Amino acid sequence: EVQLVESGGGLVQPGGSLRLSCAASGFTFSAYWMSWVRQTPGKGLEWVANMNLDGSEKYYVDSMKGRFIISRDNAKNSLYLQMNSLRAEDTAVYYCTTRRGDYWGQGTLVTVSS
Amino acid sequence: DFVMTQSPLSLPVTLGQPASISCRSSQSLVSSDGNTYLNWFQQRPGQSPRRLIYQVSYRDSGVPDRFSGSGSGTDFTLRISRVEAEDVGVYYCMQGSHWPWTFGQGTKVEIK
Repeated sequence: EVQLVESGGGLVQPGGSLRLSCAASGFTFSAYWMSWVRQTPGKGLEWVANMNLDGSEKYYVDSMKGRFIISRDNAKNSLYLQMNSLRAEDTAVYYCTTRRGDYWGQGTLVTVSS
Repeated sequence: DFVMTQSPLSLPVTLGQPASISCRSSQSLVSSDGNTYLNWFQQRPGQSPRRLIYQVSYRDSGVPDRFSGSGSGTDFTLRISRVEAEDVGVYYCMQGSHWPWTFGQGTKVEIK
């Protein structure tokens, strides 16, 4: 059974940092481009970042470029999202998914508030 | 960015009746590799999105055949031939042809 399990969400103050993790199982993680997607009540679903198989290519949505860093560890079947300089508008449920959206995690809630 | 516009945003349907959701892109979704990466997702209340249709018209494994996708270029449609109670939720189109990938606003399907 395919599983993507996110962790690391929580409450953080504006300007703070948070690192999300996603543990993958049930499929060949190293054979898939991976992504982060977020969902807010106001803006709906928003793609955050893509990463290729070995981590040498990374793509970010403009509003997150320079603040967020996507990374992966194929030996640990894990995907990460380092989020820095967080803003109130980054408050969302963050999902780990494959680039084509075939597998999704359950999401982890990030709340940016003082 | 490619803007994806869905209509309607709310769709009350009678059980057993058909339903149709439109999705229009601001530009052609034909990718540089010649494929059109237009997906449809279903999000039931309290759940993560689930992909139903990929590359316009291919149904994912386990998706009932009452769901079908069609279209080309900038205009796409998701059809449900006979709506069942389990189809309640929000449906999103999403383009993965041109970075950044973008979603439509979502169409809420509910039972009348």
